[in-house]
Amino acid sequence: GAVVSQHPSRVICKSGTSVKIECRSLDFQATTMFWYRQFPKQSLMLMATSNEGSKATYEQGVEKDKFLINHASLTLSTLTVTSAHPEDSSFYICSAIRLEGSSYNEQFFGPGTRLTVL
Amino acid sequence: AQKVTQAQTEISVVEKEDVTLDCVYETRDTTYYLFWYKQPPSGELVFLIRRNSFDEQNEISGRYSWNFQKSTSSFNFTITASQVVDSAVYFCALSERRSSASKIIFGSGTRLSIRP
Repeated sequence: GAVVSQHPSRVICKSGTSVKIECRSLDFQATTMFWYRQFPKQSLMLMATSNEGSKATYEQGVEKDKFLINHASLTLSTLTVTSAHPEDSSFYICSAIRLEGSSYNEQFFGPGTRLTVL
Repeated sequence: AQKVTQAQTEISVVEKEDVTLDCVYETRDTTYYLFWYKQPPSGELVFLIRRNSFDEQNEISGRYSWNFQKSTSSFNFTITASQVVDSAVYFCALSERRSSASKIIFGSGTRLSIRP
């Protein structure tokens, strides 16, 4: 099956710093990637849709200036949490769409990045 | 708007018991996809099944089975002869087919604990 990786898997940072999380599709090209956030004991909430070569589309209530998304290539999307604060501590999961010839475009999830802001 | 409801927040059963996780969904589209994912303590999502709205056949995979009923907008998941390794959070999810890259909306999840 298709593989999606995330780096780093875990990061601890001080309040006020910026953190970059990478999402890579290892064996396929992904024109679209999604970023989700999951707080402890809660569900996955979609933050934004990342499209290669264009601006990301953010869900309602997600600050685009705080969560910068760059989809610079067909295999890489990055999420930068700017000026992180403790309330940004969460599990961030990306997914990538693999275009297929069938009617459904399979979505593959990365292993997640656990961010802790002190 | 689309919505997925998993009314059972937590379920705890003894090993070897059968357990059913409920999922009810809402959508205005006639074409959509339903999913179940497993999330063990490691956090990584494990894909279990995808079902499209035109296929109401029940599915069985080993100890896992799924019952899809459009009449009640439900997509329930049953684990037969549960095992301790089945302990995890299970998410039901929905994707509408409006474009080639449709987002997935997750339910709130059911935390399943299997006691030895």
